[in-house]
Amino acid sequence: GAVVSQHPSWVICKSGTSVKIECRSLDFQATTMFWYRQFPKQSLMLMATSNEGSKATYEQGVEKDKFLINHASLTLSTLTVTSAHPEDSSFYICSAQTYNTGELFFGEGSRLTVL
Amino acid sequence: DAKTTQPPSMDCAEGRAANLPCNHSTISGNEYVYWYRQIHSQGPQYIIHGLKNNETNEMASLIITEDRKSSTLILPHATLRDTAVYYCIVRVGRDDKIIFGKGTRLHILP
Repeated sequence: GAVVSQHPSWVICKSGTSVKIECRSLDFQATTMFWYRQFPKQSLMLMATSNEGSKATYEQGVEKDKFLINHASLTLSTLTVTSAHPEDSSFYICSAQTYNTGELFFGEGSRLTVL
Repeated sequence: DAKTTQPPSMDCAEGRAANLPCNHSTISGNEYVYWYRQIHSQGPQYIIHGLKNNETNEMASLIITEDRKSSTLILPHATLRDTAVYYCIVRVGRDDKIIFGKGTRLHILP
């Protein structure tokens, strides 16, 4: 099946620094990618929808200036957590939608720990 | 908000069929039913989806009631590797985002 790769799979950073997480569709073009956040023992929460070549659409309550999303190509979207704080520690998961069939495939997730 | 309701947890004996129910009483005529599962600390994995008819693939079967207000995911021969949280989701199609509910935590008992 289609593969979506996230990098890094885990990252530890100091409070106040920025962290970038990459999401790549390895064998298909993705016009749309979604970013989710998951806290322990909770479900995935949709943060934003990223469309190639346009600004991301953020869900209510998600700070767009804190979670910067860039979808510069049909195979790559990035999420940058700016000025990270311990409460931003979470499991971040991306998904990519195939251009032709609309099927949605998920990455393996990136675990962020802010000290 | 999620448009589906699922039991929070279920147990199933290894080797038996696991039947996971889902209610989606407000589903619209053009909304599909999707099932994903998430094994601990991994990204969700696609299982199956359907619109009206029952569907089967190498992983599971999906039974949708005639009124489409509920569905059942069937794992025919559950193994320990099927232990996961299973999410039932309704989605219009390729242009719709996926909103996750709380899912069902399936425990496979040896």
